[in-house]
Amino acid sequence: AQSVTQLGSHVSVSEGALVLLRCNYSSSVPPYLFWYVQYPNQGLQLLLKYTTGATLVKGINGFEAEFKKSETSFHLTKPSAHMSDAAEYFCAVSDRWGDNRLAFGKGNQVVVIP
Amino acid sequence: EPEVTQTPSHQVTQMGQEVILRCVPISNHLYFYWYRQILGQKVEFLVSFYNNEISEKSEIFDDQFSVERPDGSNFTLKIRSTKLEDSAMYFCASRGALQDLNTEAFFGQGTRLTVV
Repeated sequence: AQSVTQLGSHVSVSEGALVLLRCNYSSSVPPYLFWYVQYPNQGLQLLLKYTTGATLVKGINGFEAEFKKSETSFHLTKPSAHMSDAAEYFCAVSDRWGDNRLAFGKGNQVVVIP
Repeated sequence: EPEVTQTPSHQVTQMGQEVILRCVPISNHLYFYWYRQILGQKVEFLVSFYNNEISEKSEIFDDQFSVERPDGSNFTLKIRSTKLEDSAMYFCASRGALQDLNTEAFFGQGTRLTVV
């Protein structure tokens, strides 16, 4: 069974500083990896995904993530935080494309300090 | 842009009562899911539904839970006799248009269920 670890439930970052959210996964087969974002009172919105091919994937709002198989990681980064990035971020993994049952991490609540 | 909609956004119910959470998935999607998130915990998979039947369910999804797609548009989750520990945010998701099965899941805004 697949699983995801996200450390640090709350992450504070200064406006303009690097955003780095760590995600490590466990999967018995090649994984499909996702980052979702949840803004207050909204649903889960896909930020980016890795399925196959290029290991550095770019998503919406300037975010990107790199799949590193040797480290079983899929860390999310953004070079310069914006106030609008304040939200909860979830890393998720699935190991079958057909059913796409997702296993989520606990999430990171990002606070952006002006 | 097509979206998954869930109603109600909040539901308060007494322990032992039945609740039905409603979802309208994206119209051309083929796979449907329910997930839940207990406050402070991970988003957990409950059940997946394809071709008018459950394709997979987790250990959480016991006999108290059921799902239905009664009319080709709605997708419902019923909890027969609610317990305090059913209090959570419930998310509906859909994915997989016929012409492109390789898509990510689209999530609704969630229904916050509080059992008192």
